[in-house]
Amino acid sequence: QVQLVQTGAEVKEPGASVKVSCKASGYTFSDYYIHWVRQAPGQGLEWMGWVLPNSGGTEFAQRFQGVVTMTRDTSISTAYMELSRLRSDDTAVYYCARGSRVTTTGTTAFDIWGQGTMVTVSS
Amino acid sequence: DIVLTQSPGTLSLSPGERATLSCRASQSVSSNNLAWYQQKPGQAPSLLIYGASSRATGIPDRFSGSGSGTDFTLTISRLEPEDFAVYYCHQYHSSRTFGQGTKVEIK
Repeated sequence: QVQLVQTGAEVKEPGASVKVSCKASGYTFSDYYIHWVRQAPGQGLEWMGWVLPNSGGTEFAQRFQGVVTMTRDTSISTAYMELSRLRSDDTAVYYCARGSRVTTTGTTAFDIWGQGTMVTVSS
Repeated sequence: DIVLTQSPGTLSLSPGERATLSCRASQSVSSNNLAWYQQKPGQAPSLLIYGASSRATGIPDRFSGSGSGTDFTLTISRLEPEDFAVYYCHQYHSSRTFGQGTKVEIK
């Protein structure tokens, strides 16, 4: 079936970086945008940006410019989100989600979500 | 960025009752690029409604979405025990933003 499977929980110190992976299966990875969304404990959802697997193109929410990198490896159908200069308020569950198909005119909702990766930033 | 404001913050209802959730946008969301998600504790969000009123695959017809422009509504016609959860609206017209969520809890 169509699914996104993410790596396990991470614990990092302030100032470090974390890289979360998201492996797609059940569909053609290069055909769909992958978005990243985070959720701090007890809080709502925050969109971070997207990566387009077929080109590597990216777009980020303004608040993450300069601290986030989104990449992909099409040979293993995996997308990556790396967040640098971690702070305690980056403690959150990070989700990947499937967005629009590249051949679709306009944008679409996120129809498939990964299970989430808990990232804890603590000294 | 388009700000989405959901109301109420919490809705206390009994199984079998009707739930009406509101999502108001700070500017018009054209082409009805508005979705609703359900999230249960410890789980990822799951898509319920897209395009303001279209149900996602496998979503029962007790869930319905309506609205246009800046005002959108999610209605659950008769609450089932599994419907008690947090619901988020999401606009994908201009960049992407989410509302802060409405918790539907058992009264």
